[in-house]
Amino acid sequence: NAGVTQTPKFQVLKTGQSMTLQCAQDMNHNSMYWYRQDPGMGLRLIYYSASEGTTDKGEVPNDYNVSRLNKREFSLRLESAAPSQTSVYFCASRPGYENSPLHFGNGTRLTVT
Amino acid sequence: GDSVTQMEGPVTLSEEAFLTINCTYTATGYPSLFWYVQYPGEGLQLLLKATKADDKGSNKGFEATYRKETTSFHLEKGSVQVSDSAVYFCALTPMKTSYDKVIFGPGTSLSVIP
Repeated sequence: NAGVTQTPKFQVLKTGQSMTLQCAQDMNHNSMYWYRQDPGMGLRLIYYSASEGTTDKGEVPNDYNVSRLNKREFSLRLESAAPSQTSVYFCASRPGYENSPLHFGNGTRLTVT
Repeated sequence: GDSVTQMEGPVTLSEEAFLTINCTYTATGYPSLFWYVQYPGEGLQLLLKATKADDKGSNKGFEATYRKETTSFHLEKGSVQVSDSAVYFCALTPMKTSYDKVIFGPGTSLSVIP
């Protein structure tokens, strides 16, 4: 089982460039999430999608956009990257019932110079 | 609001030592509680969970008991190995949430030396 697949694994951008981080899950999960992980800050939720066709803001949504393309795929877009967006980005999914655990991808390490 | 507090790290132990990582939470009602582990260069993965008071979650020699009276979910292992070196996250899912939500603690880094 592939689980949650994120691409790319690494990316370097210049300030002002745009890019889309891709995420796909093959577990038929309803809910999908995007987190960023920074040293000393733990995991912070950027956006989530409770079900296909819906998206909602998390703690730190500014300067990001998301698309829930279908049940499998949930992408994160940076329209104009800034050095403050240098981070490790994790996509996760879960079935959606109350005590279901999250399943994480292996992350995308993004550096903005 | 709902929150999770973990002991600060990093924690360094010798192989075969006893491990405790403290976790306490603030939440209304009866949240579900989780421990996740993150190995170097990887995403988080579920280690164990408990969904109601007095439940004990266990996996790979790790245990944690859901203590409603002390609002705690401490992680323990009797004898750690070098391969247990990782970052450990305590997390909760509030009950009857208005939206789909998982709250993480800040993580505790564990290093086990031979």
